[in-house]
Amino acid sequence: DTAVSQTPKYLVTQMGNDKSIKCEQNLGHDTMYWYKQDSKKFLKIMFSYNNKELIINETVPNRFSPKSPDKAHLNLHINSLELGDSAVYFCASSLPRGQHNEQFFGPGTRLTVL
Amino acid sequence: KNEVEQSPQNLTAQEGEFITINCSYSVGISALHWLQQHPGGGIVSLFMLSSGKKKHGRLIATINIQEKHSSLHITPSHPRDSAVYICAVTGRNKLVFGAGTILRVKS
Repeated sequence: DTAVSQTPKYLVTQMGNDKSIKCEQNLGHDTMYWYKQDSKKFLKIMFSYNNKELIINETVPNRFSPKSPDKAHLNLHINSLELGDSAVYFCASSLPRGQHNEQFFGPGTRLTVL
Repeated sequence: KNEVEQSPQNLTAQEGEFITINCSYSVGISALHWLQQHPGGGIVSLFMLSSGKKKHGRLIATINIQEKHSSLHITPSHPRDSAVYICAVTGRNKLVFGAGTILRVKS
C-alpha cells in the first residue's frame, strides 16, 4: 500500500494555465507538507498543514493555494502558471511536532511549464 | 550562507570504500534527518536523530549537538548506494534542507 501518493506524476502545461496536484496519505498523520525541488535539486518547504489548518506559508506567491479537505489530503492549486514554476513538487506527511516527526515523502510531481 | 551546509557536493567512490558525508548547521534544531534520493526521484528518510548515533545495516549516522555537526557513514559502499544524500534539520516546526551530496559508487 502506498503511504503518500501524488497525482499526477508528470504535468506539462502552458504558461498562464491553472493546474492542481493532489496528495493523499494513509498513515494517519496529522501534518502534511508541500516542498518544491528546483532544477539544482534544492528542496524548500512551501506549506505545512496540521489537521487541516495552515501552519507554515514560506513566502510563496499567492498564485499557489493549498487546500486540505481533510487531514489525509493536501492539494496544491497553482494559478497563472509561469516558466519559473517548473520544478518537482513533493508532498510529505508526519506526526505532529513534539512527537516522532520523521517525514514520509510522496513520489513527486514533475511540473513543466512551456 | 545556507543554514545547512553539506560536504562534499560530489563524491565518487569505488565499491567497498568507506564513505563519509558531512553536515553542519547554524540554527537551533529539534532533530536532524538524513534523506536519500535515487535517480528515479523518490525521497526516502534514512535516519532521524537528535543525539548520539544510529545504525541501519551498512549506514551509520552520528550527531554532535554541541558542534552542530552530523555525519553519514556508508561502511562499506556498494553501487546501489549511488544517490543524492540530503541532510535536513527540523527547527521551528519545518524542515530546512542542505543542498545534497551526489554519491556515485563504481563497481
